[in-house]
Amino acid sequence: DGGITQSPKYLFRKEGQNVTLSCEQNLNHDAMYWYRQDPGQGLRLIYYSQIVNDFQKGDIAEGYSVSREKKESFPLTVTSAQKNPTAFYLCASTPPIGEDYGYTFGSGTRLTVV
Amino acid sequence: GENVEQHPSTLSVQEGDSAVIKCTYSDSASNYFPWYKQELGKRPQLIIDIRSNVGEKKDQRIAVTLNKTAKHFSLHITETQPEDSAVYFCAANRRRALTFGSGTRLQVQP
Repeated sequence: DGGITQSPKYLFRKEGQNVTLSCEQNLNHDAMYWYRQDPGQGLRLIYYSQIVNDFQKGDIAEGYSVSREKKESFPLTVTSAQKNPTAFYLCASTPPIGEDYGYTFGSGTRLTVV
Repeated sequence: GENVEQHPSTLSVQEGDSAVIKCTYSDSASNYFPWYKQELGKRPQLIIDIRSNVGEKKDQRIAVTLNKTAKHFSLHITETQPEDSAVYFCAANRRRALTFGSGTRLQVQP
């Protein structure tokens, strides 16, 4: 069953701690994305990657880092420099250029600072 | 970069009525405009999309219209049902990445 998997579903971070959110897809999609969603707001783009070993900053990249060492995986690290990380994080992927643009979303990770 | 504005932020309708949500975008290079439905705590689900070479698209009770000249697009839901209650997001592409509107909370009163 093809899809995009995010883990963990819930994550708690202490002040000053780095945490990493996992995103894995078996859809053979080239592009992957990370979005942040705050209560009552839309999705804001953090980082995206079109191909392996390449990624670009989105609108709110400060305090976050990513890597794309494998086509299937696009982990997001929330660093201690991100002062307000409590949010719902969504990972998405899209097929190769020339095919349908449509995003496939993961089920999300809810991050809370404690 | 792309900026997408969405109105209204909340919309309450009676079951059976129609609902209309409107979005404007800023980047004239955008050519793909999807609409997503998100239920509480769930991932967004694509409900309909339109490309810039088409002015209107319909899928059963849902339709989307696009006015490229004015840079706005709208979602129309007819014969609304309680299960249509959710948050709806419009989006426009900036190259391959999507920029989302701030969302519309639709409540369908039985």
